[in-house]
Amino acid sequence: GAGVSQSPSNKVTEKGKDVELRCDPISGHTALYWYRQSLGQGLEFLIYFQGNSAPDKSGLPSDRFSAERTGGSVSTLTIQRTQQEDSAVYLCASSLEAPGNSGANVLTFGAGSRLTVL
Amino acid sequence: SQKIEQNSEALNIQEGKTATLTCNYTNYSPAYLQWYRQDPGRGPVFLLLIRENEKEKRKERLKVTFDTTLKQSLFHITASQPADSATYLCALGTGGYNKLIFGAGTRLAVHP
Repeated sequence: GAGVSQSPSNKVTEKGKDVELRCDPISGHTALYWYRQSLGQGLEFLIYFQGNSAPDKSGLPSDRFSAERTGGSVSTLTIQRTQQEDSAVYLCASSLEAPGNSGANVLTFGAGSRLTVL
Repeated sequence: SQKIEQNSEALNIQEGKTATLTCNYTNYSPAYLQWYRQDPGRGPVFLLLIRENEKEKRKERLKVTFDTTLKQSLFHITASQPADSATYLCALGTGGYNKLIFGAGTRLAVHP
């Protein structure tokens, strides 16, 4: 598509429920990132997918968080047994990263999914 | 541990003046540094990229400097306009297939 699409744009859930957030990156972009942004805060790195390599999961805050990327395209971020501190905007970004581009990964972001855990 | 610092307090300036935002980092050897703009309710938008071997980059009213000795980047907006009001984020990358790490951002408010 023309840009990075995220859904849902808003999600309100009850504590303890599971949620799934979806990201549809720009077609052809090999890299996909998930970040979390709490109110008034910066972007907290969560996970990074690059092509067929094993994802960099070093930013996932707990084992309640997981993400997958199917077929090198669409990604789903799953949060199990949600807690109130999970409330934030979850941002997805994609990037065209290829050998020889000096690794300067310019990201295109989606509008984000705002998660509110009651 | 690696740290990226941006002024947490909002920067308020008068229209027409030059806005200067700072990004400092420690325990990091970035191959490049990027600046993004974020408006409320939206994702960040890429503005400029500067590599470690570059001192300065310009794009229209924007200028970025990168001092790897001081471990600092300065982001300038000349002839600022109220439409420049937004949060500006710096991001560092080590190159290759490695994640991009963001600072917390600085909010800029340009007053008419």
